[in-house]
Amino acid sequence: NAGVTQTPKFQVLKTGQSMTLQCAQDMNHEYMSWYRQDPGMGLRLIHYSVGAGITDQGEVPNGYNVSRSTTEDFPLRLLSAAPSQTSVYFCASSSGRDGNSPLHFGNGTRLTVT
Amino acid sequence: SQKIEQNSEALNIQEGKTATLTCNYTNYSPAYLQWYRQDPGRGPVFLLLIRENEKEKRKERLKVTFDTTLKQSLFHITASQPADSATYLCALGRRATDSWGKLQFGAGTQVVVTP
Repeated sequence: NAGVTQTPKFQVLKTGQSMTLQCAQDMNHEYMSWYRQDPGMGLRLIHYSVGAGITDQGEVPNGYNVSRSTTEDFPLRLLSAAPSQTSVYFCASSSGRDGNSPLHFGNGTRLTVT
Repeated sequence: SQKIEQNSEALNIQEGKTATLTCNYTNYSPAYLQWYRQDPGRGPVFLLLIRENEKEKRKERLKVTFDTTLKQSLFHITASQPADSATYLCALGRRATDSWGKLQFGAGTQVVVTP
């Protein structure tokens, strides 16, 4: 019963490097999203997808790209890492479209950019 | 701008007592309010959802109230146990069909239950 799986758990990057955070879910959920969590702040939405081939921007999309080629996978790409992107990143999925459906979260990727 | 406030100070409570957390919001008209639990190093886990036309929701030792006039939700943990120690997040969502993924989260309140 895997749910939402994120890899890697930890990552250290140098400024300017790029990388991809992986996210996979096995619940056949249409809706997937990426959040970042910073101390003292609520989770902030980066990008989301309502189905394969469809993505849209959230609250803080700059510096990040996403794609959704399959229902199961929703990778997040950092194009050129900056220290401001040091954060914990969570992927989430949901079976429903609106606030009436709970989100299922992965256990996060802790990213440090030096 | 929209704002969701949860008490940033940790709530320290003795085992067996009731813990009460608040979630206040401004400039927002949510149709749904959700509560999540987050343990250190883990992702949030969904606990309860309450709709705007519901005053109260219960699940085992948990109770949530939702007052759209006061723009406030209260989250109660009765007969608290050390295993309830965690950070609790509230999240607000709209009913609109394009509102998915746009849940607004509070920063959370840490609860520490001591034996």
